[in-house]
Amino acid sequence: KQEVTQIPAALSVPEGENLVLNCSFTDSAIYNLQWFRQDPGKGLTSLLLIQSSQREQTSGRLNASLDKSSGRSTLYIAASQPGDSATYLCAVRHFQGGSEKLVFGKGTKLTVNP
Amino acid sequence: SAVISQKPSRDICQRGTSLTIQCQVDSQVTMMFWYRQQPGQSLTLIATANQGSEATYESGFVIDKFPISRPNLTFSTLTVSNMSPEDSSIYLCSVAGRVTDTQYFGPGTRLTVL
Repeated sequence: KQEVTQIPAALSVPEGENLVLNCSFTDSAIYNLQWFRQDPGKGLTSLLLIQSSQREQTSGRLNASLDKSSGRSTLYIAASQPGDSATYLCAVRHFQGGSEKLVFGKGTKLTVNP
Repeated sequence: SAVISQKPSRDICQRGTSLTIQCQVDSQVTMMFWYRQQPGQSLTLIATANQGSEATYESGFVIDKFPISRPNLTFSTLTVSNMSPEDSSIYLCSVAGRVTDTQYFGPGTRLTVL
C-alpha cells in the first residue's frame, strides 16, 4: 500500500528566505507526482506535475524535483513571500486495487512572516 | 485546465438527514473522483465516479452511505446519507483527463452535521 509522508508538518520562515519542503513515498511504481497548495477553507490548487520519467519541473519561484528510485520529492520555494503562506500537499498517482489513484501526504503548513 | 464547480459550497445539516453535492466540469473528462477531508487531515479518496456504471469505492466507504451518480462526462453527484456529526468534512470533486494529466480539484463543499 502506497504511503506518502511530508516533512516537516509545519514551517515558519521570515519573508525572503528560500525553503525546501520534503515528500517521500513507499512504492516507487508511480505514474507521476503532483504538488498542490491549499489555502484555509479552500480547495486545492495544482502547482507542479512531475511525470515518473522526469527529474524536475519549474514554475516561477517554484522548483520540484523527483527521485523515483529513492522515493523522494522536494519542493523548493525561492524568495518566499507572505502570500506563499498555505498548506502544501504532495500526492503520487499509482495503480492500486484495479485503478489509478492519487494518494496524498498530510501536508506541510507554511507560514511566511513579513 | 479544467474548471470545476460544486454546489452547495457549504451546508449545515441535522443528524439523520441526507445531502447531495453536485459537481460540474466545464469540459468532458475521463476520470472523476470524490474525496473527503476531515478537519485538520489530508485528503482521502471516497470513490471513483464511473460514467454510466456504478462507482468504484475505496476501502471503508460503501454505496449505501455515499451513493454516487455520473450520468455523463461533465457531471457527478455525491450523496452523504443518514448523516452523523462524524460526516462533518470538506467534500471535494476532482477530475483528470488521463493518468499522465494534472488532476484538478473543485472548491469543495464544507459540511457540518449537528
